[in-house]
Amino acid sequence: GAGVSQSPRYKVAKRGQDVALRCDPISGHVSLFWYQQALGQGPEFLTYFQNEAQLDKSGLPSDRFFAERPEGSVSTLKIQRTQQEDSAVYLCASSRQGSGVSGELFFGEGSRLTVL
Amino acid sequence: GQNIDQPTEMTATEGAIVQINCTYQTSGFNGLFWYQQHAGEAPTFLSYNVLDGLEEKGRFSSFLSRSKGYSYLLLKELQMKDSASYLCALTDRGSTLGRLYFGRGTQLTVWP
Repeated sequence: GAGVSQSPRYKVAKRGQDVALRCDPISGHVSLFWYQQALGQGPEFLTYFQNEAQLDKSGLPSDRFFAERPEGSVSTLKIQRTQQEDSAVYLCASSRQGSGVSGELFFGEGSRLTVL
Repeated sequence: GQNIDQPTEMTATEGAIVQINCTYQTSGFNGLFWYQQHAGEAPTFLSYNVLDGLEEKGRFSSFLSRSKGYSYLLLKELQMKDSASYLCALTDRGSTLGRLYFGRGTQLTVWP
């Protein structure tokens, strides 16, 4: 597709439910990031993939959070036993290479998770 | 860790100029980004500074002083559509390549 696509756009879950959020990055982009954005805050890093390899998961807040990118394209962020503090917008971003050089990071519109 | 500070809110009128400041403290500064984020939408890239000085791109300019740990985003000839959150972000040499550390964002409101 033309941009980074995320689904669902909105998800309401009851506390304790498991959720899965999908990210379809720009075709050919090697790097994929997940960020969490709480209301009124900047995005916070969760995890990073280079192709199918998860090279950094230091930002995942607990072992309830799990991410995968098995074929190096689509990625899924899974949250088990959701808690109210998990309510946030989950942003996926991709780049052709690590954007630390000069490349842009292209963000999806995010999945807004509300845990009741 | 990284300590990034920017004002929470700013207001300005259409046609005016506004400067959004960002200060940071980090041991391994690599580069500084500005992103624009409209409510409910994806952040979009505005600018990237790695060397000191001013980068101009149309109505938007971004300045960096590495010695002072300071950047600003300058928006000229403000339009209503510029009402958005502006996110300052940096990359750090000691972290995953491409990992961005964001400030909390500055919510800019442009009045007619």
